[in-house]
Amino acid sequence: KAGVTQTPRYLIKTRGQQVTLSCSPISGHRSVSWYQQTPGQGLQFLFEYFSETQRNKGNFPGRFSGRQFSNSRSEMNVSTLELGDSALYLCASGNTGRVETQYFGPGTRLLVL
Amino acid sequence: DQQVKQNSPSLSVQEGRISILNCDYTNSMFDYFLWYKKYPAEGPTFLISISSIKDKNEDGRFTVFLNKSAKHLSLHIVPSQPGDSAVYFCAASVEKLTGANNLFFGTGTRLTVIP
Repeated sequence: KAGVTQTPRYLIKTRGQQVTLSCSPISGHRSVSWYQQTPGQGLQFLFEYFSETQRNKGNFPGRFSGRQFSNSRSEMNVSTLELGDSALYLCASGNTGRVETQYFGPGTRLLVL
Repeated sequence: DQQVKQNSPSLSVQEGRISILNCDYTNSMFDYFLWYKKYPAEGPTFLISISSIKDKNEDGRFTVFLNKSAKHLSLHIVPSQPGDSAVYFCAASVEKLTGANNLFFGTGTRLTVIP
């Protein structure tokens, strides 16, 4: 069974640009959650999508948005990039509603210059 | 404000000895706690969890202890093995309140097991 895939794996952008990250969940999984990992803050929850609907949202500015498609693939968009957006962005897919059955992808490393 | 804290960024332990990783939390609404292990270039993988109605959960070499009054949990690894070297994240969930899969993570502790 293929795992969670995230593309691209690495990305370099400049301040003010926007970026779109993609996450393909494990086949059959309908929930996709996004997290931001930075050295000082650890992993922070961004949002969760389930069956194309945003089910929960963390405490991030409106520059961070996402969506989920009918095939459960999800995209995350960050507009007007800031230096502080440099981070590892992880997505996790799940199906049972139990947090421990979430499976994380390898992440997309974003560097904002 | 960091609701889940891991105050030790790193820990080194000799192979065969016990590794104890600590985690503190501030939100008394948390009702489920988890530990994840993360290798470089990989996403975190679930290791062990504990519900707030328990004070101990054991799975092989891994045991998690929960002290609700102190808002503290710990992960014990006995015996430690070189393959356990990784970053360990503590996480907490308000599962019953939101019904959604969101987790509050600590900043992680890098464990190094010395052969």
